[in-house]
Amino acid sequence: LAKTTQPISMDSYEGQEVNITCSHNNIATNDYITWYQQFPSQGPRFIIQGYKTKVTNEVASLFIPADRKSSTLSLPRVSLSDTAVYYCLVGDLTLLGSARQLTFGSGTQLTVLP
Amino acid sequence: DTGVSQDPRHKITKRGQNVTFRCDPISEHNRLYWYRQTLGQGPEFLTYFQNEAQLEKSRLLSDRFSAERPKGSFSTLEIQRTEQGDSAMYLCASRKRDPTSGNTIYFGEGSWLTVV
Repeated sequence: LAKTTQPISMDSYEGQEVNITCSHNNIATNDYITWYQQFPSQGPRFIIQGYKTKVTNEVASLFIPADRKSSTLSLPRVSLSDTAVYYCLVGDLTLLGSARQLTFGSGTQLTVLP
Repeated sequence: DTGVSQDPRHKITKRGQNVTFRCDPISEHNRLYWYRQTLGQGPEFLTYFQNEAQLEKSRLLSDRFSAERPKGSFSTLEIQRTEQGDSAMYLCASRKRDPTSGNTIYFGEGSWLTVV
């Protein structure tokens, strides 16, 4: 199983861009990189997913270098409501992939300050 | 609201009692997952269904835990003879088998269990 390493915590101020990097040195060929956001007492909420290069949606961007050994979640102009735990997951989500491979680490606690 | 419904949202029970949680996945999602999460930790995989078949079980799923998905739609997770260590949030997630729709797994809001 590909293991991920993220910073335990990060602080930012409102309006700033936040980049959270995740290391996954032993990522496998079929593995996708997925980021979730979780607020206290709620289930994880899907943010973005990618396989390589750059993916952008209405809430975030995901940058994946060519070797895929790391990825960076970029949140533009964060607000107080973005304070949450962010999880980076690496796993084979293809049809034949094992469900076990969707493994959560401890995540990154992002605190947005006014 | 992701469309994955869990019930009850909160349950307080005495040690030794049985509890059951229900999950209604997003309609037509044939893959269903159960996770457990304790304070300060990320969710931990418990078990996985494809339609009505339980295909994977974690070692975390002791003999006191049983999960079912009888008709391939909703699922139940039962914990027998609860222990204080069972106190956690139990998360359900679902995913659709479709090579063109992406590989997104959607989580419910969780069911909090407190064993006193």
